Amino acid sequence: QKEVEQDPGPLSVPEGAIVSLNCTYSNSAFQYFMWYRQYSRKGPELLMYTYSSGNKEDGRFTAQVDKSSKYISLFIRDSQPSDSATYLCAMVSGGYQKVTFGTGTKLQVIP
Amino acid sequence: GAVVSQHPSWVICKSGTSVKIECRSLDFQATTMFWYRQFPKQSLMLMATSNEGSKATYEQGVEKDKFLINHASLTLSTLTVTSAHPEDSSFYICSASSQGLGDGYTFGSGTRLTVV
Repeated sequence: QKEVEQDPGPLSVPEGAIVSLNCTYSNSAFQYFMWYRQYSRKGPELLMYTYSSGNKEDGRFTAQVDKSSKYISLFIRDSQPSDSATYLCAMVSGGYQKVTFGTGTKLQVIP
Repeated sequence: GAVVSQHPSWVICKSGTSVKIECRSLDFQATTMFWYRQFPKQSLMLMATSNEGSKATYEQGVEKDKFLINHASLTLSTLTVTSAHPEDSSFYICSASSQGLGDGYTFGSGTRLTVV
């Protein structure tokens, strides 16, 4: 079993839709959770970072963490074509420790 | 926010030559940087953890003598691909954190290496 599981998609939605991206994990040592957006042939861009269970909101993005269920989500409201990219969840157990990534979900927002 | 600069963004080299990739933290000091490799349509694979002033820690299966990492200062880490072969062609990305995990990990823009 992989430490982090993420549906690879692709996920195709119409513009304006609410997008839900999810990851599950098995390692209870993970304490810090991140979501990255990666455009083709570019480095990952940090979208959200959180370390506690609950919700964290930043503009159109909401990160949700449920440590009891070992489940994290990223919600994108009012999705735009420019949101079309691969979204990677990532998690780490502590400071300066190696990051474990999900496989990434490819999202396409159709105008 | 924290910025990580990676150079070059694109390099083509002949088989058998060496290529150096630089990773700089522009507005913060990074005692630890990470080097990843990414194949098309796949996630990032950690190659090694670079620690300022000490030897890098390599992941299992990564050849230390082939992928030389030097972290000579708090703002610069380099990855040298020695005696490159076509199978080394890939997307290499570095990352760093300015405060351990105070603000997550920031990634460089990546280097696409093509060995011909």
